[in-house]
Amino acid sequence: DVKVTQSSRYLVKRTGEKVFLECVQDMDHENMFWYRQDPGLGLRLIYFSYDVKMKEKGDIPEGYSVSREKKERFSLILESASTNQTSMYLCASRGANSPLHFGNGTRLTVT
Amino acid sequence: QQQVKQSPQSLIVQKGGISIINCAYENTAFDYFPWYQQFPGKGPALLIAIRPDVSEKKEGRFTISFNKSAKQFSLHIMDSQPGDSATYFCAASVHQGAQKLVFGQGTRLTINP
Repeated sequence: DVKVTQSSRYLVKRTGEKVFLECVQDMDHENMFWYRQDPGLGLRLIYFSYDVKMKEKGDIPEGYSVSREKKERFSLILESASTNQTSMYLCASRGANSPLHFGNGTRLTVT
Repeated sequence: QQQVKQSPQSLIVQKGGISIINCAYENTAFDYFPWYQQFPGKGPALLIAIRPDVSEKKEGRFTISFNKSAKQFSLHIMDSQPGDSATYFCAASVHQGAQKLVFGQGTRLTINP
């Protein structure tokens, strides 16, 4: 069974802080993704990576960056957190022609 | 821009009834249409998917109906059960292996016992 693990279930940060969200997958998948989930807006893609050290912008990359130094780990970075980044963040991974497998999410609150 | 539009935003159905969730898309290049199911506190999980070369796909009580000319597809849940209460997302991509999966806004389904 594919396991995508997000390091924190809940996170509370202050405006202006640098925030790291960590994600690890155990299926040797090439592709990893970061989405944010907001009521009424569905899931929106922030960034994705199709290989180590490779990254591509999704639909809403502003205010975010990512890091993929190892195949199993994909980090989302908020350089300077703002209140409009309060959201549920979902990490996902996928192998070639396999469905997306999601983690259970990190609910981030920025105050 | 919202390339996949999903409705309704919320839906309440009595146990044993039929739940229907609709999605419409704009990009005619889309050729892979999955549905994801999300329970509270969990990430979404693939429920069922269809490609446009068929008009219907059924897995147990779950059926996807696909109308290529109207650029619409829908999820039908027959004999809805309280355990089906969840948030459902439709999605689309250019092909199954594509990097970008575009999601609809989600439908919160509640099945009353």
